[in-house]
Amino acid sequence: GQNIDQPTEMTATEGAIVQINCTYQTSGFNGLFWYQQHAGEAPTFLSYNVLDGLEEKGRFSSFLSRSKGYSYLLLKELQMKDSASYLCAVSAHSNSGYALNFGKGTSLLVTP
Amino acid sequence: SAVISQKPSRDICQRGTSLTIQCQVDSQVTMMFWYRQQPGQSLTLIATANQGSEATYESGFVIDKFPISRPNLTFSTLTVSNMSPEDSSIYLCSVEARAGGLSGNTIYFGEGSWLTVV
Repeated sequence: GQNIDQPTEMTATEGAIVQINCTYQTSGFNGLFWYQQHAGEAPTFLSYNVLDGLEEKGRFSSFLSRSKGYSYLLLKELQMKDSASYLCAVSAHSNSGYALNFGKGTSLLVTP
Repeated sequence: SAVISQKPSRDICQRGTSLTIQCQVDSQVTMMFWYRQQPGQSLTLIATANQGSEATYESGFVIDKFPISRPNLTFSTLTVSNMSPEDSSIYLCSVEARAGGLSGNTIYFGEGSWLTVV
């Protein structure tokens, strides 16, 4: 099985930087994904890390350390529209071959 | 990326009935998955839809309750059988597709089917 832990809730101010951490325990690791989910909508893909290091994509960056079972999503220049749930998902080999197991999500509230 | 269409987008269902959700992708994909997201919860994998063979179910999910079809590489259906209020959930189709550039493959989601069982 896989244990994926991330904070339940976070609050940050518009224009600031916020880091959402995710720790995991798994075997057969095949990559880590971050998704954004606004209330009432399906998840949308943000980032994918399979090698150690930082992946930068505009205001969003994601970091992975496989040896530590650790990832973070960094959001810069926060905007009100960034208020959403952020889901950490780990891909690992299983009976299904290759599928994602999700953490419970971090609900981010951006305040003025 | 891939464009994924799900039908129905929303439905209110009577207890004891069954409903089939359709998932159509705009390109051929090898891997298709069905997830469930119960109210206030994260996503849980139900099964992998295999083209030309029976779906592979995760622990806690069985074919009699959630029969799945995958007749080709662009289409799949999930049926929620003999529904109860506990089946009220969002059901999401997802596919593995190329993300473009050097990102390799990633998993994309349809817009979801929001079912309420009364």
